Amino acid sequence: RKEVEQDPGPFNVPEGATVAFNCTYSNSASQSFFWYRQDCRKEPKLLMSVYSSGNEDGRFTAQLNRASQYISLLIRDSKLSDSATYLCVVQGDNTDKLIFGTGTRLQVFP
Amino acid sequence: DTEVTQTPKHLVMGMTNKKSLKCEQHMGHRAMYWYKQKAKKPPELMFVYSYEKLSINESVPSRFSPECPNSSLLNLHLHALQPEDSALYLCASSQLRGGGLAKNIQYFGAGTRLSVL
Repeated sequence: RKEVEQDPGPFNVPEGATVAFNCTYSNSASQSFFWYRQDCRKEPKLLMSVYSSGNEDGRFTAQLNRASQYISLLIRDSKLSDSATYLCVVQGDNTDKLIFGTGTRLQVFP
Repeated sequence: DTEVTQTPKHLVMGMTNKKSLKCEQHMGHRAMYWYKQKAKKPPELMFVYSYEKLSINESVPSRFSPECPNSSLLNLHLHALQPEDSALYLCASSQLRGGGLAKNIQYFGAGTRLSVL
């Protein structure tokens, strides 16, 4: 089993749609969780950190369920500019190492 | 714009060449990282430096040799590479481990796209 698993997609959605990405992780000792966004041929960029209580940043909402070892990202009112690969990233306690999921490709069409 | 600067942006080298990739950050971060990324794959960790000391080597072949001259600079020396080493090489930095979520965030440079002929 991979340490961080994501549905690779692609998710093809129209502008204005709501789309949800899910991610599971295997190490119950993991402490830090992030969603990164990566555009084609560019570097990963932090989209948002994921807090236990859940957090929202504009159209983006992240949730963490520690009991189920599950992380989600919800994007509302999708824009063409949201088209990218979304990487679920997990960091264990007492380590500098980030574990990346394989990424979920999102394509928003007009 | 990223505050982690990588040079060169592109590099083409032969299998007998020696070259170096450079990374610089001025955010006062004390951890720096090298990743390798192949097309349509996530970044794979290669090395981690914490407080200028090598803390993680993910069993990377010796033809890749990292160096951390000071807290702002990270180099990756390349020698006798193979065509399968062609990839995007990403540098990242973070403030330090522990002390809250914000300090674990890694910031990536734009990468060096390497082609080995």
